[in-house]
Amino acid sequence: GAGVSQSPSNKVTEKGKDVELRCDPISGHTALYWYRQSLGQGLEFLIYFQGNSAPDKSGLPSDRFSAERTGGSVSTLTIQRTQQEDSAVYLCASSLFPVGEAFFGQGTRLTVV
Amino acid sequence: RKEVEQDPGPFNVPEGATVAFNCTYSNSASQSFFWYRQDCRKEPKLLMSVYSSGNEDGRFTAQLNRASQYISLLIRDSKLSDSATYLCVVNRNSGNTPLVFGKGTRLSVIA
Repeated sequence: GAGVSQSPSNKVTEKGKDVELRCDPISGHTALYWYRQSLGQGLEFLIYFQGNSAPDKSGLPSDRFSAERTGGSVSTLTIQRTQQEDSAVYLCASSLFPVGEAFFGQGTRLTVV
Repeated sequence: RKEVEQDPGPFNVPEGATVAFNCTYSNSASQSFFWYRQDCRKEPKLLMSVYSSGNEDGRFTAQLNRASQYISLLIRDSKLSDSATYLCVVNRNSGNTPLVFGKGTRLSVIA
C-alpha cells in the first residue's frame, strides 16, 4: 500500500484483557513512531524505532505497554491488562529518514469497557 | 518549559480573514520544521515544511526565525475548510526521538 496502515481501526475490549495493535509503515521507511491521543488532547509520544537501533521507550506510560518491530518493518504495540484510562486513539507514523517528515496511519481507536 | 509550545486557541475568525500562528521551540540544535493539520477525529497530515528562507504554498506562508527560535504559519483568505488543529513539529535531530510535536492550535473559520 501507499500509506501507513493500522489495524484494527476500532477495538473494544474488556478491562483486564490484553490487546495488540498493528502498524504497517510505508515500505522503506526506517523510522517508526507510536503516539496516543485522547479526545481533545495533543499527541502523546509512546515509542520510537529507528532501523536496528535500540528503540526509545521513554514515552511508554507503564510496564503494561510494550512494542516491537520485526524485520525493520511491521510494528506491534501490546497493552496488557487494559485499563479504562488506556482508551484513546493510537497513531503510528513512519518516515524515510529520521530528519524527514512523518506520515501517519489512520489510527486505532481503543475503547476499554 | 516545553520543547515545542503553541497557543492552543481556539482562534475564531470570519471567512476571508488572515490569521497567523506562532510556535516556539527550545532546542537551538533543531534541524527541520513542519506544520501539520489535523481534522477532528482524523490523523495529522503534513501541511508544509518550513525552510530557512520561508516558503509559500497558495494561501499558506511559513516562516522560520532561528535567532528567536520560532516558526510561524500565516493563512490568508481563510476558508471554512481551513477549520482544523494546526500542529507545529520540530525535528531536533538529537536525542533518541527526533520529532517533537506541539499540542496544536485550534482554528475555527466562521461563515
